[in-house]
Amino acid sequence: NAGVTQTPKFQVLKTGQSMTLQCAQDMNHEYMSWYRQDPGMGLRLIHYSVGAGITDQGEVPNGYNVSRSTTEDFPLRLLSAAPSQTSVYFCASSLTPRSGNTIYFGEGSWLTVV
Amino acid sequence: GENVEQHPSTLSVQEGDSAVIKCTYSDSASNYFPWYKQELGKGPQLIIDIRSNVGEKKDQRIAVTLNKTAKHFSLHITETQPEDSAVYFCAALYGNNRLAFGKGNQVVVIP
Repeated sequence: NAGVTQTPKFQVLKTGQSMTLQCAQDMNHEYMSWYRQDPGMGLRLIHYSVGAGITDQGEVPNGYNVSRSTTEDFPLRLLSAAPSQTSVYFCASSLTPRSGNTIYFGEGSWLTVV
Repeated sequence: GENVEQHPSTLSVQEGDSAVIKCTYSDSASNYFPWYKQELGKGPQLIIDIRSNVGEKKDQRIAVTLNKTAKHFSLHITETQPEDSAVYFCAALYGNNRLAFGKGNQVVVIP
């Protein structure tokens, strides 16, 4: 049982490049989400999904796309990276947070856009 | 949406003393309040949570209290140890399955 796995752990991008942050969970969780963490800002929700085929926007969705074709995977795509997207990204999953089930986080992906 | 405020931003305590972090929230409909600990270079990990039908929950040296009337909840760490040094985040569940996080609190335990 690996939990929530994120790749890559570190990435440097040039402005305008695209990339995908991968997230996979092996706990059969319905709910998956992506957060970004910036100094002094805490964790801010980018996008989330309540099940395969369903995604919705969070607090800071601009510049990011997501899809949920399977229960296990929830990739985050940056179509045209900008320096403002330099951040630490965390993927998270849970059965469903509605009833207060534990939300498990991945180890994070450090992204630098130059 | 929900707004979660966390105070203080940094807290230094002597080893063995207690640490208290307080959070306030804005959405009176929130009913689930978890606390996360984040160590350097790692993802946040749940350490304790509380639901709105109870006022206090304890797990060994960690406790959380909830005051729904005042819309605040607090994390209490007793007999602090060096390994308690970390960033602590409070959160509140609101609306359509979303968690709103506070900005985090850096706790430093001085040996």
